[in-house]
Order: sequence, then C-alpha cells, then structure tokens
Amino acid sequence: EDKVVQSPLSLVVHEGDTVTLNCSYEVTNFRSLLWYKQEKKAPTFLFMLTSSGIEKKSGRLSSILDKKELFSILNITATQTGDSAIYLCAAARLNYGGSQGNLIFGKGTKLSVKP
Amino acid sequence: NAGVTQTPKFQVLKTGQSMTLQCAQDMNHEYMSWYRQDPGMGLRLIHYSVGAGITDQGEVPNGYNVSRSTTEDFPLRLLSAAPSQTSVYFCASRELGNSPLHFGNGTRLTVT
Repeated sequence: EDKVVQSPLSLVVHEGDTVTLNCSYEVTNFRSLLWYKQEKKAPTFLFMLTSSGIEKKSGRLSSILDKKELFSILNITATQTGDSAIYLCAAARLNYGGSQGNLIFGKGTKLSVKP
Repeated sequence: NAGVTQTPKFQVLKTGQSMTLQCAQDMNHEYMSWYRQDPGMGLRLIHYSVGAGITDQGEVPNGYNVSRSTTEDFPLRLLSAAPSQTSVYFCASRELGNSPLHFGNGTRLTVT
C-alpha cells in the first residue's frame, strides 16, 4: 500500500530558529513530491520536486528530494511567527501514459513558532 | 482571481439528510478532486475527475456521489449524511500533466 509519512507530527520552536521537516514515501511508480503550507484554510503550494539532489528555494524555505532513500526535507531558516502552520507533504504516482496520478498526503507536521 | 470556490463554508446536517457541496474553478483545469480532512488522518481523496463526463473513485468514496457536466463545476453529493461524515471538505483542481493542486477554502460539515 502506498504511504507518505511525515515527522515530527508537531514541533515548537522560537523565532530565529532553523527547522527541518521530514517526509518519507513508499509509492509505486513515483512521479513527484509536493509540499504545501496550511494555515487556517486552504493548503497553499510551496514546492514540487521531481529530480533527486536539486534544491528548490523560495526565500527562507528550501526543499530537496532523495529518490534513492525515498525521502524529502523542507528547511525553514530564521523562522518567524508567520511560519506557524501545518506543513503537508504529498507524493504523486506516475500514470500509464506519463501523466501525474492522484496525490497521497502525509498527516502533516504542525509547526508553532513562538515569539 | 477567484481560483477554486467552494460553497457553503459551513453546514450542519441531521443524520439521514442529503446535501450537495458546490465547487467551481475558473482556471480551465481538466482535473478536479474532492478531499476530506480529519484530525490525525491527513487529506484523503474521495472522488476525482479528469474531464467533463469522467469521474472515478478515490480512497474513501462510500456515501458520496459526484458528477462532472462542465469543466468548471464538480459538485459533491452526500446521499444520506452520517456522523462519520463530519469533516472539512476540500475541492482542488489542477492542469493535466505534472502540476500542483490548487485548493478551495473548504467546507466545514457537521452531521448530528
């Protein structure tokens, strides 16, 4: 059975700290891995990773994928209270014909950043 | 930029009642889907569609129906609500191909 496991499930840090969120996956015909940030409402897209070892960056956030060891990490440097959210990891299968299949989500990591 | 619009935002039903959760997107996305989010369970796929007239079941389809008569709309029907269907429901869409999902703001449903 395909699955995505995130760790830790929750994390409390202080402003200025650096955090690393983990995501491991076991997905048949893996296509890509995605990270989302969920505050009070809709999850918002952060990164999509399809190739091993290539870091994606957006401001203080960065992410990398290891397709050999089947995991990804999301790093947040110099955390701010506005980073408090649930961070969701999802893996997509590769469909017949090469298209992206449905996403399988992990349970999320709840990050709380204290002032 | 409307994106994905869900209505209503909140709903309370009694056991056995039926209702339809509405979802519309204005991005001309072929792929649309419904997820439910429960504490400790993450997002689970209910139904999805890869185009008008095409729907398929996800991980937890029992008790729900969908249809896709237009590219824009993808309503989710609860046939006979049960307390186990108390959840937050998200509609999401994307382009076909390798692209990220765009989510609506969710509908919080309580079944008493």
